[in-house]
Amino acid sequence: DAGVIQSPRHEVTEMGQEVTLRCKPISGHDYLFWYRQTMMRGLELLIYFNNNVPIDDSGMPEDRFSAKMPNASFSTLKIQPSEPRDSAVYFCASRPLRVNTEAFFGQGTRLTVV
Amino acid sequence: ILNVEQSPQSLHVQEGDSTNFTCSFPSSNFYALHWYRWETAKSPEALFVMTLNGDEKKKGRISATLNTKEGYSYLYIKGSQPEDSATYLCASQFAGGTSYGKLTFGQGTILTVHP
Repeated sequence: DAGVIQSPRHEVTEMGQEVTLRCKPISGHDYLFWYRQTMMRGLELLIYFNNNVPIDDSGMPEDRFSAKMPNASFSTLKIQPSEPRDSAVYFCASRPLRVNTEAFFGQGTRLTVV
Repeated sequence: ILNVEQSPQSLHVQEGDSTNFTCSFPSSNFYALHWYRWETAKSPEALFVMTLNGDEKKKGRISATLNTKEGYSYLYIKGSQPEDSATYLCASQFAGGTSYGKLTFGQGTILTVHP
């Protein structure tokens, strides 16, 4: 397996534009996580899915953020409209259901909103 | 709010020194404790996943212990090398409700090993 794949790796967009980040988890993994890394808050959980169903979205900053997982092999995180304070690195991770299993992270998407 | 705390925030050591850092977490509803190593410009990679009180795991020069009753874990690096320089993250899983599946990360300890 190629691991967790995120795209794009870098995104620069203007304030007010819609941004869509994409993630392909490792095949067979039950959980998918979206994290945001900032200097102030470290690695912050935004939302996670179990078998494509959103379980906890309490970390989503506001209504401008939305996430979907239409099938087991694809998830999107959308920001509309984007703002400069959304600039961060966004990581997607997946892991199996079993207890003693680690999460596998994608390479991240570095988002810059100007 | 389930807070996971790590200390120190950063650490500078000389090559060959042994070092350790701490991860503290709420002991109630504890389920599992993860350690990850995060190198600059890369993504976090797992070192250990531990669930049992008193558990100790080792990978090369790195080892970790777990005390679930008092809510802490130690990560030890023996004979630090410059390539050990990274951010070390711990994350807890808690039982119950929507907490079960998710990993709550601490802020990390930034380790710099000087040649």
